[in-house]
Order: sequence, then C-alpha cells, then structure tokens
Amino acid sequence: NAGVTQTPKFQVLKTGQSMTLQCAQDMNHNSMYWYRQDPGMGLRLIYYSASEGTTDKGEVPNGYNVSRLNKREFSLRLESAAPSQTSVYFCASSDALGRLSSYNSPLHFGNGTRLTVT
Amino acid sequence: KQEVTQIPAALSVPEGENLVLNCSFTDSAIYNLQWFRQDPGKGLTSLLLIQSSQREQTSGRLNASLDKSSGRSTLYIAASQPGDSATYLCAVKGYQKVTFGTGTKLQVIP
Repeated sequence: NAGVTQTPKFQVLKTGQSMTLQCAQDMNHNSMYWYRQDPGMGLRLIYYSASEGTTDKGEVPNGYNVSRLNKREFSLRLESAAPSQTSVYFCASSDALGRLSSYNSPLHFGNGTRLTVT
Repeated sequence: KQEVTQIPAALSVPEGENLVLNCSFTDSAIYNLQWFRQDPGKGLTSLLLIQSSQREQTSGRLNASLDKSSGRSTLYIAASQPGDSATYLCAVKGYQKVTFGTGTKLQVIP
C-alpha cells in the first residue's frame, strides 16, 4: 500500500519557468490537499479538493493552479516560478470533509517535493 | 482565526526520560486534533488523532490528551529512545480548515 506518492522528489527551476508537481493516492480518499512548508511558518494550505471535480483556494493560492484529474490524482502547477516559491511542497489526502462521519478522518501525507527557484 | 502554538521549539533530553510536548490553540470550535511526527527530509507521519469529544488517545509509548475548553493538548512520550528524535507537529481541524503548529524538534541523546 503506497499511500500518497509525490513526484518529483527534488526540482530546481529558474525564475519564470513552469512545472507541475504530481500527487496520487491509493486509499480511495475523496479529499486531497497541497501544502507548502517553510521554516518558522508551519504548513500552509495552497489549494484543496474536497471531491473529484472540485477545487478551492487555501491560504496562499497566488502563483499556483491545481487540477483534480480524477479521484486518485491532484496536481499543482507553477506557471511562472518565482524565488518566493522556493519551499517544500506536500500533498495530503483524507476522507471527504463534507460528510459528518468523515470529519475525524486523519490526514495522510506524501514525502514531499523540495523545490528551489533561482 | 485559529492560531496553533507549540512551545518549546526545540527540546533535548537523555534517553529513558519521560517527556511532554505541548500544543495550544485559540479557537476551541474544533473537530479533532492530530499529532504528527516528521523526520528530516520526509513527510508527516500521523501518530494519534483525538476527536473533540475525547479526552485522550494512546498508542504504545505515546499518550495524547485534549482539553478543548482551555485550548491545550499534550503529547506524552514514555521512556524516550534515540529513535524518537524528530520534529513533532500538532494540527487542529476546524470546519473547513486544518491549522498546523510550527512543531517541536526533539532530540533524544543516547
């Protein structure tokens, strides 16, 4: 059981380049999330998808776009990378937010993508 | 706006000690609180999840408590081992959002 898989593990971009971070989960979870982790700031939510076909902005969505390709996959795209986007990016999944019985479903994380923008 | 604080930011203890990590939050309207462990260069591993109606949860040498009214949770680690060295984060789940603390970096010295 792989859980949450992220690719790539590492990436270096020049300012202005674009890239897509991939995430897939095999736990049949409805909700998926993208976070970034920066020193001293904790994890901040970029975008989330409460179910297949829906996406919503989190705390820090500027400069990012997402696609919920199907129930398993949720990708994060940087259209024009900036040095401020240097961070570690984590994908997570859990059962749906919208159902009362799922409110206590734990979050499961991938191992992260370390992105450096020069 | 929910704020989650973990103090201290770092902690160093000798092997075998029992220790307590703290997590405080400002808004008591939560569904649950989850404790995670993060090893360097890795993702977050879920340790324990306490529902808002519960007072504590136990898993092996770990015990997490929740006092929703005072906005506090503690993670108790018994008989600490060098393998427990990691950063421990707490996360509070509200209606639509999960808010994370910045973590406590624990070092257990052999």
